[in-house]
Amino acid sequence: EVQLVESGGGLIQPGGSLRLSCAASGFTVSSNYMSWVRQAPGKGLEWVSVIYSGGSTYYADSVKGRFTISRDNSKNTLYLQMNSLRAEDTAVYYCARGRGQIDFWGQGTLVTVSS
Amino acid sequence: QSVLTQPPSVSAAPGQKVAISCSGGSSNIGNNYVSWYQQLPGTAPKLLIYDNNKRPSGIPDRFSGSKSGTSATLGITGLQTGDEADYYCGTWDSSLSAGVFGGGTKLTVL
Repeated sequence: EVQLVESGGGLIQPGGSLRLSCAASGFTVSSNYMSWVRQAPGKGLEWVSVIYSGGSTYYADSVKGRFTISRDNSKNTLYLQMNSLRAEDTAVYYCARGRGQIDFWGQGTLVTVSS
Repeated sequence: QSVLTQPPSVSAAPGQKVAISCSGGSSNIGNNYVSWYQQLPGTAPKLLIYDNNKRPSGIPDRFSGSKSGTSATLGITGLQTGDEADYYCGTWDSSLSAGVFGGGTKLTVL
């Protein structure tokens, strides 16, 4: 059974850093497109970043230069390193399998950026 | 402002049918597969339709998808109160090299 379990969210001050993790089971992270998608409170879905099986990475303009997607193949885990956080980064962050089409989603982890 | 355009809301009575539209451009819907997601209140999105018109295992055939040019449509027949949710279209944008979603459509079953 495919499962994605995110962790690492929490309350962080503006300008701070946070690393999200997504532990996958039931499939191999490194063999798939893996994405992060976020949803601000009361708002719609916003695609954040993707890492390809070959290692290429892409980012939304809103996070480019501040966020870094990566994976640990030995742990079958996806990461999102978030630096220089802003209030507008406040959202539930979902780990997801896929690129333009997402077939499995994690339950999400809430990141709140506030002083 | 979302790259893909959806109506903010639609409504219909139980047993009736609705269609939710998703409009984009040649770099996204026009040249990539479209998927649709259902998000029930307080839960993660769930895949309803992929590759424009295919249903994952377990999704009832009351849900259907179609694509024509740079637009896509999600159809739901035999509406049930349990279908009340937010629905999103999504695809890849080849020019942006980014995933894109519609702004979401809130379905109310009156």
